[in-house]
Amino acid sequence: DGGITQSPKYLFRKEGQNVTLSCEQNLNHDAMYWYRQDPGQGLRLIYYSQIVNDFQKGDIAEGYSVSREKKESFPLTVTSAQKNPTAFYLCASRDRDVEYEQYFGPGTRLTVT
Amino acid sequence: AQTVTQSQPEMSVQEAETVTLSCTYDTSENNYYLFWYKQPPSRQMILVIRQEAYKQQNATENRFSVNFQKAAKSFSLKISDSQLGDTAMYFCAFMINNAGNMLTFGGGTRLMVKP
Repeated sequence: DGGITQSPKYLFRKEGQNVTLSCEQNLNHDAMYWYRQDPGQGLRLIYYSQIVNDFQKGDIAEGYSVSREKKESFPLTVTSAQKNPTAFYLCASRDRDVEYEQYFGPGTRLTVT
Repeated sequence: AQTVTQSQPEMSVQEAETVTLSCTYDTSENNYYLFWYKQPPSRQMILVIRQEAYKQQNATENRFSVNFQKAAKSFSLKISDSQLGDTAMYFCAFMINNAGNMLTFGGGTRLMVKP
């Protein structure tokens, strides 16, 4: 089955620690995205990548970093510089030839205490 | 910068009735897409319906339809014959058709369908 996987579903970390969230897709999509969702709010774009070894900052990139070494993978690192890291994180991907449709993963709930 | 506003934080509807969720947006672009996404308690984002800005005809998908008013920058979602499974958060979203194709989301409307 083709799709996007995010693991784990729930992640707990202590304040001051970096943590990396996984996003893998087997849809052969070129573009990938990371969004953050806070309680009762909509999604906000953190980073996106349109091609391997290239990525751009979104609206709320501060305190986050990404890499895109493989087409299938787009990991997000939440660094200790992110002031409010507790949130729900969603990864999405898009086929280069279908500009309007993003497919979302199931998300990871990160709690930092 | 584009903004998307959903003015109804919460709404409720009786099963089998019709409900309309509101959305307004602001942009100076002419070539864009508008979407409604559903997020049930599982938190999986599900695309409900899509509208291309260049199309005058309103999009429909089974029980879901939109009222797209381009000049007014309004994009409402009508759910007919509401079902208990429609209970979810609904997000209006906007995408400019350019190199990045990023989505900009509204704050969401929590819809409760009552039996």
